[in-house]
Amino acid sequence: DIVMTQSPESLAVSLGERATINCKSSQSVLSSSNNNNYLAWYQQKPGQPLKLLIYWTSTRESGVPDRFSGSGSGTDFTLTISGLQAEDVAVYYCLQYYSSPYTFGQGTKLEIK
Amino acid sequence: QVQLVQSGAEVKEPGASVKVSCKASGYKFTTYGINWVRQAPGQGLEWMGWISAYNGNTDYAQKFQGRVTMTTDTSTSTAYMEVRSLRSDDTAVYYCARDELAVPAYWGQGTLVTVSS
Repeated sequence: DIVMTQSPESLAVSLGERATINCKSSQSVLSSSNNNNYLAWYQQKPGQPLKLLIYWTSTRESGVPDRFSGSGSGTDFTLTISGLQAEDVAVYYCLQYYSSPYTFGQGTKLEIK
Repeated sequence: QVQLVQSGAEVKEPGASVKVSCKASGYKFTTYGINWVRQAPGQGLEWMGWISAYNGNTDYAQKFQGRVTMTTDTSTSTAYMEVRSLRSDDTAVYYCARDELAVPAYWGQGTLVTVSS
């Protein structure tokens, strides 16, 4: 199984500042057939299901604000939230969907400083 | 719009079975697959498996092989997941999530399954 390791476990950022969350996979999630990295990012607020933010490493889901961006390739990936807003307080998870079983990172709790 | 509505909370005794439903609307059911993911209280996320709503093909995480069965009913656009021989560590919120370009994109509201004697 591919192990996904997120860092940090928790993060406190001031409103308007940048938040950066990292995700490392134990194996590459880059497909040689289509050159896509099968890496997604989700946001989860208390008592709610996951909300897809980004897929294929850097493609924003429809309706997701452009302050959310994703980058990386192979085994190292980053979610960046530029200009943090109060409604961004949540737990963020990465997911590799390159191979079965799909596996999630352990989550990063984002708070306001 | 795409909606996945799951069945209500369940309380089961150890050793029992539970069957969670996930009713889809807002799209052609047979075009996409359904993933099942669970989240134990205060814990992370665990992908359990996937079922094609087109032909019923399944892909189970090895951990759940033999204890979990995923099915679909195309006449009602509903997916089901049954877990047998429940244990206390099966206590979790169970989510269904529809594929979009291979990624679990649209999520149900979750179903809390509590296993307790």
